[in-house]
Amino acid sequence: EIVLTQSPGTLSLSPGERATLSCRASQSVSSSYLAWYQQKPGQAPRLLIYGASSRATGIPDRFSGSGSGTDFTLTISRLEPEDFAVYYCQQYDSAPRTFGQGTKVEIK
Amino acid sequence: EVQLLESGGGLVQPGGSLRLSCAASGFIFSNYAMSWVRQAPGKGLEWVSVISGSGGSTYYADSVKGRFTISRDNSKNTLYLQMNSLRAEDTAVYYCAKNLVSALAASRDAFDIWGQGTMVTVSS
Repeated sequence: EIVLTQSPGTLSLSPGERATLSCRASQSVSSSYLAWYQQKPGQAPRLLIYGASSRATGIPDRFSGSGSGTDFTLTISRLEPEDFAVYYCQQYDSAPRTFGQGTKVEIK
Repeated sequence: EVQLLESGGGLVQPGGSLRLSCAASGFIFSNYAMSWVRQAPGKGLEWVSVISGSGGSTYYADSVKGRFTISRDNSKNTLYLQMNSLRAEDTAVYYCAKNLVSALAASRDAFDIWGQGTMVTVSS
C-alpha cells in the first residue's frame, strides 16, 4: 500500500498570500496518478487537480499542481477567503487507492 | 446537473447490518465505475470499495472485505453498499463517488463527483 504523507499539518496564512502544500509518497506514483481534493467543514470533498497537474472542471487557475515520482505539490497562488479548508492528496496508481492525512489551511 | 444523493445511514448496534444507497442523476450512470469512500469523525478519507460500470467487477479495502458488498442497479441509476457485521470502527460518513472518466473498476481514475454523505454510527 502506498502511504501518502502531507506537510505541513496546518498552514496559517492571510488572504492574498501564496500557499504551498506538499504530498510525499512512500513509493513512486507512476504516470502521476495523483489527485488533490478540497474539503470544507460539513461538505464533501471536491476534486481540484488530477494527473498531478490538470485542473478539474471549474477550478480557478490560482490552483496548480506539480511533481512526479514521490514528491507532489499543490500551490494556491493567492488565497481567497473561500480557499481556507482542508486539502487531501490521493494516489490512484495502485490498489488500494490511498489518501494523505490532510493539510488544513487556516486564516492567520 | 450531475448529482449523487446518498441515503440509508443511521444508528446500528455492533454486529448489525445496514444498506446504503446512492441515487445518481445528470450523467450516464452505467458508463462510470463508482466507489464508496468513508470518513470517520474528525479523521481523513478512506477508500472502501469500487464497482465497474457494468457491475461485473468489484474490489474492497481489506478493512471491510467479507463484511461489505457493493452493487449497482443501472436501470435505477443507483449504487448500493450492504454492510454486515458492523463494528464501532465502521462509524463514519459514507460518500459515494464517481470516476472521472472510466467504467473500469480497476482503472486509474480520480473521483470527480461526490455525494453529500450519509452518517453511519455503530454503537450500543
